[in-house]
Amino acid sequence: DTGVSQNPRHKITKRGQNVTFRCDPISEHNRLYWYRQTLGQGPEFLTYFQNEAQLEKSRLLSDRFSAERPKGSFSTLEIQRTEQGDSAMYLCASSASGIGDTQYFGPGTRLTVL
Amino acid sequence: GQQLNQSPQSMFIQEGEDVSMNCTSSSIFNTWLWYKQDPGEGPVLLIALYKAGELTSNGRLTAQFGITRKDSFLNISASIPSDVGIYFCAGYYGGSQGNLIFGKGTKLSVKP
Repeated sequence: DTGVSQNPRHKITKRGQNVTFRCDPISEHNRLYWYRQTLGQGPEFLTYFQNEAQLEKSRLLSDRFSAERPKGSFSTLEIQRTEQGDSAMYLCASSASGIGDTQYFGPGTRLTVL
Repeated sequence: GQQLNQSPQSMFIQEGEDVSMNCTSSSIFNTWLWYKQDPGEGPVLLIALYKAGELTSNGRLTAQFGITRKDSFLNISASIPSDVGIYFCAGYYGGSQGNLIFGKGTKLSVKP
């Protein structure tokens, strides 16, 4: 399968714990994006990378959230000291810059904070 | 921030019916994308539109990029049960680099 992959698909954690999610983009895509989606809403932008550079961050990305893409390939999103309000679907997408930035999404990681 | 107004919020379909939904904004958008999302999955790209006035089809789906660049619509002809799901419009407006703005979705369900 050459699409965007995300791991894990589901994560249940207790409040206050740290969690880390991984995204592997489509191999030739140089842009990678993170979104958060809550029930009944469309995805909301968190941050994006072009190669290894983090170019834009939403104000939704509090200081408990950090994203990395160290070698310009896969990316990780870490949430420290999770809160119940962090419960959501975390989506990753990738695109090839210069082709209308059409974003292709992965299946998401469903986070539940107890 | 920028918002996309998507309507209707939900609709019921009977097999064979045509379906229409649209998305509007107060800002000019450079690109319009239409996605379908099934429960527990990520959005799947249906159609991408890059120029004002562009009309693009993908099987039974047809979408158009409005001339004013502030709206787009998606039509589904001869609906079938597997069309059920949530359809999202999304787009880039003039000020964004990578921030794709999404509507709240149109939920398609089968008529009881």
